[in-house]
Amino acid sequence: EADIYQTPRYLVIGTGKKITLECSQTMGHDKMYWYQQDPGMELHLIHYSYGVNSTEKGDLSSESTVSRIRTEHFPLTLESARPSHTSQYLCASSAYSGSPLHFGNGTRLTVT
Amino acid sequence: GDSVTQMEGPVTLSEEAFLTINCTYTATGYPSLFWYVQYPGEGLQLLLKATKADDKGSNKGFEATYRKETTSFHLEKGSVQVSDSAVYFCALLIPNSGGSNYKLTFGKGTLLTVNP
Repeated sequence: EADIYQTPRYLVIGTGKKITLECSQTMGHDKMYWYQQDPGMELHLIHYSYGVNSTEKGDLSSESTVSRIRTEHFPLTLESARPSHTSQYLCASSAYSGSPLHFGNGTRLTVT
Repeated sequence: GDSVTQMEGPVTLSEEAFLTINCTYTATGYPSLFWYVQYPGEGLQLLLKATKADDKGSNKGFEATYRKETTSFHLEKGSVQVSDSAVYFCALLIPNSGGSNYKLTFGKGTLLTVNP
């Protein structure tokens, strides 16, 4: 089983709040990713990192930001949440480019 | 560009029925192909993979064969169970032009519901 953890599992917050979604992995993987999953199930890559101090934007433009100060930790932050940010956010990691992804169980965010 | 097209759902079957979920792809170069599964309330898990033409991936009774001539990677299972109810994603992995990194492209997912 992959050891990648996301917290919280569920989050309901009001508009304008700042939030951070946590993602940690204990496998020593260099590559980490954030996907946004819409209610229709489709996955959109919003951020990725190939190692410490490396972050890139993904295919879908997102108002969120990420940081990668430690190999095992890849948090995602929304400075001011809006209802349009309501979605499921999935974190993933891989050992190297081209290897399969290991996913966390996701954070389901609802912004009211 | 590279893309994956998979069968739209939802798919509803009775237990022990035969399952096929179609997946076709468009890619330049030589992709690897994957099926991921997402059970309710969980993240995605790798179900099976194939890295070159004519490879067959298999796991938990599921199979898929990498068909280069038809650019397909259809998922099949001979006898589904209620516990197979999940969302299934076909995915394509292809290196970038420099070969140093890879891009993973997912299909839109197919929801499978198996009734007892």
